[in-house]
Amino acid sequence: QKEVEQNSGPLSVPEGAIASLNCTYSDRVSQSFFWYRQYSGKSPELIMSIYSNGDKEDGRFTAQLNKASQYVSLLIRDSQPSDSATYLCAVSHRSSNTGKLIFGQGTTLQVKP
Amino acid sequence: DVKVTQSSRYLVKRTGEKVFLECVQDMDHENMFWYRQDPGLGLRLIYFSYDVKMKEKGDIPEGYSVSREKKERFSLILESASTNQTSMYLCASPRGDTEAFFGQGTRLTVV
Repeated sequence: QKEVEQNSGPLSVPEGAIASLNCTYSDRVSQSFFWYRQYSGKSPELIMSIYSNGDKEDGRFTAQLNKASQYVSLLIRDSQPSDSATYLCAVSHRSSNTGKLIFGQGTTLQVKP
Repeated sequence: DVKVTQSSRYLVKRTGEKVFLECVQDMDHENMFWYRQDPGLGLRLIYFSYDVKMKEKGDIPEGYSVSREKKERFSLILESASTNQTSMYLCASPRGDTEAFFGQGTRLTVV
C-alpha cells in the first residue's frame, strides 16, 4: 500500500462547478498535510496546508482533514479553466526535524469552458 | 524571494556515466529533498537531508547517492547512469514543517 494515494483522474468538471479532490494516507504519524498544484512543465507550488481536523478555507479553495479516517480533500469552488492542472497531495511527519515529505501520484483536473 | 536553483534544466548523459545534479537554496533551510517524477507515479522521494553531512534514504535510493557538504547545497549523484533513470528530477527545500519550495527541475535523459 502506498503511503499517500490519490485517484490519478483525469477529473473533468465544467467551468463554475465544484471540483473535489481526494487523498488518503496510511501512516497515522502523519501530522501535516499539503496540497500542491503543478501546471504542465512547471514545478509544484503550494496552495493549501492543513494541520488539524476540520476545514480550512482560502478563497475558492477549502481543505478538509479527517485524521480518524486518514483522509484529506481539496474543494475548488467556481472552477476556472486556469485551475486545470495536476494536484498533488503531500503529508509529512512532524515528530522530528527529520520528517519526510511524501507525495501522492497526483490528480489531473480538467476544467472545461 | 525564496530561491531553489537546480544547476541544469536539461541533461543528456550516456549509460554508465557518473552524473551530478546540483541544488542550491538561499534561505538557510535545514531540510532539503531530492525527488524524481514520472508519469503516473507522482513524486517519489530519493534522498533527503536534514543537516550538513546528514542524509536519509527515501523510498527509491537504489542507484543514487547524495552529498551535503554545505547547508545551501544538496547534490544528487547517479553513480552509473542507466536508462531507467531517465526522469524529471526535482529538488525541494521546506521551511520547517510548512511550505516546500521547489527548483525548476532537471529533465535527465540517459541514452
